[in-house]
Amino acid sequence: KAGVTQTPRYLIKTRGQQVTLSCSPISGHRSVSWYQQTPGQGLQFLFEYFSETQRNKGNFPGRFSGRQFSNSRSEMNVSTLELGDSALYLCASSLGLAGNTIYFGEGSWLTVV
Amino acid sequence: EDQVTQSPEALRLQEGESSSLNCSYTVSGLRGLFWYRQDPGKGPEFLFTLYSAGEEKEKERLKATLTKKESFLHITAPKPEDSATYLCAVQEREDYKLSFGAGTTVTVRA
Repeated sequence: KAGVTQTPRYLIKTRGQQVTLSCSPISGHRSVSWYQQTPGQGLQFLFEYFSETQRNKGNFPGRFSGRQFSNSRSEMNVSTLELGDSALYLCASSLGLAGNTIYFGEGSWLTVV
Repeated sequence: EDQVTQSPEALRLQEGESSSLNCSYTVSGLRGLFWYRQDPGKGPEFLFTLYSAGEEKEKERLKATLTKKESFLHITAPKPEDSATYLCAVQEREDYKLSFGAGTTVTVRA
């Protein structure tokens, strides 16, 4: 079956712009979470959604936001981009909140110039 | 706050030379410990979830074990295709997010 799909795979933005990243979870999965991966900080939790509700949020500024739609697809948005937002943004999905297996997508590479 | 420490940071092995990776963790109540493999430029690939001390899981040349304070990922007779970064993550009982370690980068030479 199809895995977690993230779009776009690569993008370059300018400081001050905003960006929206999209994630389609594995069919039947209702929980979607987002992570930021950088060489210096590793993988850090951004937020998690279940049944269109944000259930948990990491320690990121309010410029980072997300949402989940009724079909479980999710988007995350970063406003007023900073150079430090350059990272690999990963989406993960699982059947439920306490998922036994959490699968990741290939990620969206964001470069802020 | 959850803490996950992986060691060593990097491991260079000869093909066929078995070794182990360590993941030590501090969490108030463990729901699950996850192991992932990540290749350069790709997302983490799920390997195992362990839930309680004493549990073991195997997949091909990989075997994961869990104690109350740490987990080990044993690589038996590795091949060059086992070269990757191996990530460990914990999920706390009261919080569903994954807290990741920094990873161990394994290089297997032919």
